[in-house]
This record gives sequence, C-alpha cells and structure tokens, in this order.
Amino acid sequence: DAGVIQSPRHEVTEMGQEVTLRCKPISGHNSLFWYRQTMMRGLELLIYFNNNVPIDDSGMPEDRFSAKMPNASFSTLKIQPSEPRDSAVYFCASSWGTTANTQYFGPGTRLTVL
Amino acid sequence: DQQVKQNSPSLSVQEGRISILNCDYTNSMFDYFLWYKKYPAEGPTFLISISSIKDKNEDGRFTVFLNKSAKHLSLHIVPSQPGDSAVYFCAAKETSYDKVIFGPGTSLSVIP
Repeated sequence: DAGVIQSPRHEVTEMGQEVTLRCKPISGHNSLFWYRQTMMRGLELLIYFNNNVPIDDSGMPEDRFSAKMPNASFSTLKIQPSEPRDSAVYFCASSWGTTANTQYFGPGTRLTVL
Repeated sequence: DQQVKQNSPSLSVQEGRISILNCDYTNSMFDYFLWYKKYPAEGPTFLISISSIKDKNEDGRFTVFLNKSAKHLSLHIVPSQPGDSAVYFCAAKETSYDKVIFGPGTSLSVIP
C-alpha cells in the first residue's frame, strides 16, 4: 500500500491567494483527518470525516478554511484567501472504523504564505 | 485550553540511557492513549498505545505507563539509541470516537 498521499509537498503563495491541499487516504479506511502543525500550537485537529461526512469541524480556524470529501479516496482542504499566519505544515491522516485507534499520516504539505 | 499537555518541549539523553517523556491530560473521558513519533519532513507514525484498563504496556524498548488518578502517562525508552531522536507526540481519545487530541510534542535528542 502506498500509504496516505498528500499533494503538493510544498506550497509557496502570496497573501490573498487561494490554496488547495489534497489528500488520498489509504484504501479501505473510512475516517479522514486534517491536522495543522505549528510551533506554537503543536498538532491540532482541524476537521475529520467519517464515511465522507464531516463529523467535527470545530478546529477549523475561520470561514476562510473549508474541507471537502467528495468520495472515499479524495479530500481537499482549501484556504481562501490565504494569510501569512496560515503558514504551517498540514497533515492528512486516515483510519478504519470508529474504534480504530491508530491513524496513518501522510508526509504533510508545508505551506508558506508570503 | 489544551487537553493534552507535554510540558517539556525538548529532552536530551545520552545513548544507552533511559529516556522518559511525560504527558498530562485533563479530560477524564479519555480512555485510550497513544504515542506517535515524528521525524523531520515526515508524518507522525504510531509507536505504542495503552488502554485505560491497563497501567503499563510494553513493546520492545518502549514502555508506556498510565496513572489514571493523576491523569498522567509517560513513555520510557530504554536503552535510548540515536535513531530515537525525533519529536514524540502524546495523544488521547475516547474509544467510542474517532477524534484524537494531540499534545504539542517533545523533541528528543539522543547523543551518541
């Protein structure tokens, strides 16, 4: 298995631009998570989906952030418009089952907003 | 308010000695705890876990201890090896939910 795939690995953009991060979970996993890692806050959960349905988006910082999961093999996290404080590493993770306790993480997308 | 705390941002240990990483949590509903390890430019990977029905779980050089009354857990690595140098995240969840809460991480450096 290829594991969780994220693209792009690095993104540099200017303030005000739209940014779209992509994630392909492990085949067969039915839960998908988006995290953001910063020096100040560590690893924080933004949103997670179960069976393609958003379950908890309480971690999404602002309306500028949105996430979709149109099918079981693809999810996007969009920031529009982007701001310098959005600069961070964004991770996608997937797991199987509601009681599955192990999440498998992708390699992350390092986002820099100038 | 952070529900999972790792109060030591960094830790330095000599090769061959014991590394002890600490974690505290505030939510008494948490009943499953995990440790993840993260190398630079990679995603976190699962290391070891423990259910609240246990107070100890061991896997090779890694042992996690849970003190429910103190809402405290610790990860022991013995003996420590240079390859153990990484950021270690403590995480907690309620078994019946998918949501996992991570701590801010502790950066471990094992000096040869």
